[in-house]
Amino acid sequence: AQSVTQLDSQVPVFEEAPVELRCNYSSSVSVYLFWYVQYPNQGLQLLLKYLSGSTLVKGINGFEAEFNKSQTSFHLRKPSVHISDTAEYFCAVSDQGFQKLVFGTGTRLLVSP
Amino acid sequence: DTAVSQTPKYLVTQMGNDKSIKCEQNLGHDTMYWYKQDSKKFLKIMFSYNNKELIINETVPNRFSPKSPDKAHLNLHINSLELGDSAVYFCASSPRQGTDTQYFGPGTRLTVL
Repeated sequence: AQSVTQLDSQVPVFEEAPVELRCNYSSSVSVYLFWYVQYPNQGLQLLLKYLSGSTLVKGINGFEAEFNKSQTSFHLRKPSVHISDTAEYFCAVSDQGFQKLVFGTGTRLLVSP
Repeated sequence: DTAVSQTPKYLVTQMGNDKSIKCEQNLGHDTMYWYKQDSKKFLKIMFSYNNKELIINETVPNRFSPKSPDKAHLNLHINSLELGDSAVYFCASSPRQGTDTQYFGPGTRLTVL
């Protein structure tokens, strides 16, 4: 069975500071990894995904993530955050068949001036 | 134009009632999903349908019955509502079974009193 752990339930950060949101996964087979963002009172939107190839993945809104197989991690980073990045961020894993997404518990990013 | 839409956006009802949530996607996708997000923001898949056929049923109580009249619609009917059913329900779609990216609707917040 696959699982995702997001250790940080909330990450407060000041505007223009860098941020890293942590995600670790568990799987016995090849995985595909995703980060989704949920803005207040909205549905989820795909930020980026890792399927194969380069382990550094760039997404929308200046976010990037690095797949690290040895550490079973897929941490999300942004070098300089904006107030508008305040949202809930979900890491997810899918099996090879993409039958379903298994989500982590989410990390709330709080950006203050 | 909304790609994945859900109605209603908010639903408040009494315990024991029966209610339905509707989902429509205008993306021409074959596969649709229902997810439940609880009060702690944990997001878990409930069902998936591919071309109107049930693919995944994640041990959801049989009070929940999805119905797909055509591949653009996936409705969720809930009988005998319980307090624990209070959550945000998200519909999603993907181009076809086995494709990686899912597109989410805005969610329906169900409150059972």
